[in-house]
Amino acid sequence: AQKITQTQPGMFVQEKEAVTLDCTYDTSDPSYGLFWYKQPSSGEMIFLIYQGSYDQQNATEGRYSLNFQKARKSANLVISASQLGDSAMYFCAMRERSGFGGSQGNLIFGKGTKLSVKP
Amino acid sequence: DADVTQTPRNRITKTGKRIMLECSQTKGHDRMYWYRQDPGLGLRLIYYSFDVKDINKGEISDGYSVSRQAQAKFSLSLESAIPNQTALYFCATSDRTGNEQYFGPGTRLTVT
Repeated sequence: AQKITQTQPGMFVQEKEAVTLDCTYDTSDPSYGLFWYKQPSSGEMIFLIYQGSYDQQNATEGRYSLNFQKARKSANLVISASQLGDSAMYFCAMRERSGFGGSQGNLIFGKGTKLSVKP
Repeated sequence: DADVTQTPRNRITKTGKRIMLECSQTKGHDRMYWYRQDPGLGLRLIYYSFDVKDINKGEISDGYSVSRQAQAKFSLSLESAIPNQTALYFCATSDRTGNEQYFGPGTRLTVT
């Protein structure tokens, strides 16, 4: 079973509008972290935002916010006021705690959503 | 200067050749990772290392080997490259909590 599911292979949004990219996750660990990365056509992975499983408030970083619904196991990324430069692939990822009590540290990625911003 | 650097950035090689991808980091992190990205897929873990003496296989380690030469250096080798190893390869580091993750710029490898 997939641990990270991104159900939207592609999305379009009009410039200056807000857009929500969906991400659901599956874990039995009580302690985990959720990440969103942006990958432009040049290929680098750009960190956007992080949410810890015990964080009480939804994470925000500038125009990015993470809508964290723990009971539903969802961690959707909201981009406000979309810009042409936001056109890219977006990946949701999760860091689980290892079975030995510490964090293995590696990330488990979804398949990504390609966002296209229209002028 | 970048926190995580990878060399080479692009490489074209022939089937059967041995190739090494190198990664260096200035974050001082103990944990380093190698991931592979294929078109239409997210990144998948090849190997990870918690320190110089602790190296572990990831999800897709077959056909790859690694070397942790120092805390700051982690190399990935393809002993005998094959075309389906054509992919974008990323090195990454994290702190011990795993809450801080830093990626290198990636290496585009093409095996003909």
